[in-house]
Amino acid sequence: GAGVSQSPSNKVTEKGKDVELRCDPISGHTALYWYRQSLGQGLEFLIYFQGNSAPDKSGLPSDRFSAERTGGSVSTLTIQRTQQEDSAVYLCASSTYGTATQPQHFGDGTRLSIL
Amino acid sequence: SQKIEQNSEALNIQEGKTATLTCNYTNYSPAYLQWYRQDPGRGPVFLLLIRENEKEKRKERLKVTFDTTLKQSLFHITASQPADSATYLCALISSGSARQLTFGSGTQLTVLP
Repeated sequence: GAGVSQSPSNKVTEKGKDVELRCDPISGHTALYWYRQSLGQGLEFLIYFQGNSAPDKSGLPSDRFSAERTGGSVSTLTIQRTQQEDSAVYLCASSTYGTATQPQHFGDGTRLSIL
Repeated sequence: SQKIEQNSEALNIQEGKTATLTCNYTNYSPAYLQWYRQDPGRGPVFLLLIRENEKEKRKERLKVTFDTTLKQSLFHITASQPADSATYLCALISSGSARQLTFGSGTQLTVLP
């Protein structure tokens, strides 16, 4: 497809379990972003990848969160030992370059529910 | 602390009228400001970008203004239609952080037929 693809679209898991969320960016986009959106809230920046540079991890809320991007394309966000406050929609976006003037193209997110 | 505020209440307007949404910010020096539309269960979709040295930007029925003195951006939809009903998000790019967008919490617009 032509857009950003995220999987799964929904994930329900028990507290304490690990989860992996996947993002397939638009082909050729060098920048990739992860955000978290809680109900009625704005998007919270988590992590940013740009080409082969070291990722900007400044938004990760705790060391239970990690992300990687393999081959400059697909990215995986991992949450270890999930807590109920991790329940949110996790959105991935990509852009042509990681500059301020480039629009970000979003996937439809993974809705994560921690029981 | 840095803050972005959008219309705190949901906005309802009659079809055909102009909708005006507000984005106010404090303790930012944004070089750029973007507006996105988000429908329920979907990711945001980019609409417009305006630079700090631009006063106004238009795209079809959409108009965005950017007043760095008032620290405010206004987003207008003219001749509004029920299909314009959605949540609209403003996002800032600070001059010191060209890679990160900081989003407001959005304004939910409903256009009544």
